[in-house]
Amino acid sequence: GAVVSQHPSWVICKSGTSVKIECRSLDFQATTMFWYRQFPKQSLMLMATSNEGSKATYEQGVEKDKFLINHASLTLSTLTVTSAHPEDSSFYICSAGTSGVGQYFGPGTRLTVT
Amino acid sequence: LAKTTQPISMDSYEGQEVNITCSHNNIATNDYITWYQQFPSQGPRFIIQGYKTKVTNEVASLFIPADRKSSTLSLPRVSLSDTAVYYCLVGGGDNTDKLIFGTGTRLQVFP
Repeated sequence: GAVVSQHPSWVICKSGTSVKIECRSLDFQATTMFWYRQFPKQSLMLMATSNEGSKATYEQGVEKDKFLINHASLTLSTLTVTSAHPEDSSFYICSAGTSGVGQYFGPGTRLTVT
Repeated sequence: LAKTTQPISMDSYEGQEVNITCSHNNIATNDYITWYQQFPSQGPRFIIQGYKTKVTNEVASLFIPADRKSSTLSLPRVSLSDTAVYYCLVGGGDNTDKLIFGTGTRLQVFP
């Protein structure tokens, strides 16, 4: 199947700083990418949908000014957590999809805010 | 997007067949049914997808009755490495559609 990568795989940052997470589709062009957040022992929660070249669509309750999403190319989307706080500590997962190829998930990024 | 309902957890022993059923009463005509597997601290991994009747691949089978209001993921002869959370999702066949995850089923396989 298609491969989606995320970088970094884990990150620790201090409260108040910003963190950027990259999501790349390695062997296909993804017209759409999704960002999820998962807390321990819970299911994945969709945060936003990003389409290449357009603004992301955020799910209800997700602060768009806090979670900045950029989908500048068909193979790269980035999620920036701005002014991170301990409650933003979570497992962030992206997925990438394109018609006829499938929707594939990245390995996830563990964010810990101290 | 159709809501799905699955058992919260299931236990099995190595070598047994495991069937996980998912209810999706409000499935739309153009919705597909997709199952994912997730291990701790990893992203979900695609297992199988179907629209109706039966689909089989090298790791699982998916049974979908005629009314499509439910589906059953069948894992033949599970091993300890099949211990994971399994998610059933329904959505459009266009793989650019967003997926809404339900609670999933936590499968524990014992030796």
